[in-house]
Amino acid sequence: AQTVTQSQPEMSVQEAETVTLSCTYDTSENNYYLFWYKQPPSRQMILVIRQEAYKQQNATENRFSVNFQKAAKSFSLKISDSQLGDTAMYFCAFMNGGDGKLTFGQGTILTVHP
Amino acid sequence: EPEVTQTPSHQVTQMGQEVILRCVPISNHLYFYWYRQILGQKVEFLVSFYNNEISEKSEIFDDQFSVERPDGSNFTLKIRSTKLEDSAMYFCASSRGINEQYFGPGTRLTVT
Repeated sequence: AQTVTQSQPEMSVQEAETVTLSCTYDTSENNYYLFWYKQPPSRQMILVIRQEAYKQQNATENRFSVNFQKAAKSFSLKISDSQLGDTAMYFCAFMNGGDGKLTFGQGTILTVHP
Repeated sequence: EPEVTQTPSHQVTQMGQEVILRCVPISNHLYFYWYRQILGQKVEFLVSFYNNEISEKSEIFDDQFSVERPDGSNFTLKIRSTKLEDSAMYFCASSRGINEQYFGPGTRLTVT
């Protein structure tokens, strides 16, 4: 079974600064996807970014980028130029290429301070 | 931009009662999912649904749970006899293929 671990329960950052959220996962599969979801206080789950395991290039989406280290099974999220609206719980998630089931980490609460 | 919708936003029910949570997935999506999140805990997979049948379910999804796509647009989760521990946020999600899933805003279920 796959597991996803987020070792940082809480993080904080000053507005306009950069922050990196960590995620590691464990799998024996070779074909899989990794995601970061954002959950603001409204509790809506919002897709931030995704990475296909077969792609060596790290995904980027505006201010959000990932550092995908397949051998180390690490998938960190970097948020540049942090904004107050980035304050939320961030979940790392794993999906086996074949089944569509998302396995989530425990989440990291990110607070952006003015 | 199309989005997944869920109703109701908050449902309060008494223990032992049946509840139906409703979802309208994005219209051209083919795969549908239910997840739950107990307050303060991580999001857990319940079930996936494709081509009018369950494709995968977790150990949580026992006989008291069922899913249905009664028409071309709705996707429902029924809990037959609710327990206190069923209190959680229930999220519906949909996807076009086996890839990124888009989540609805959730239904908060409170069992008293």
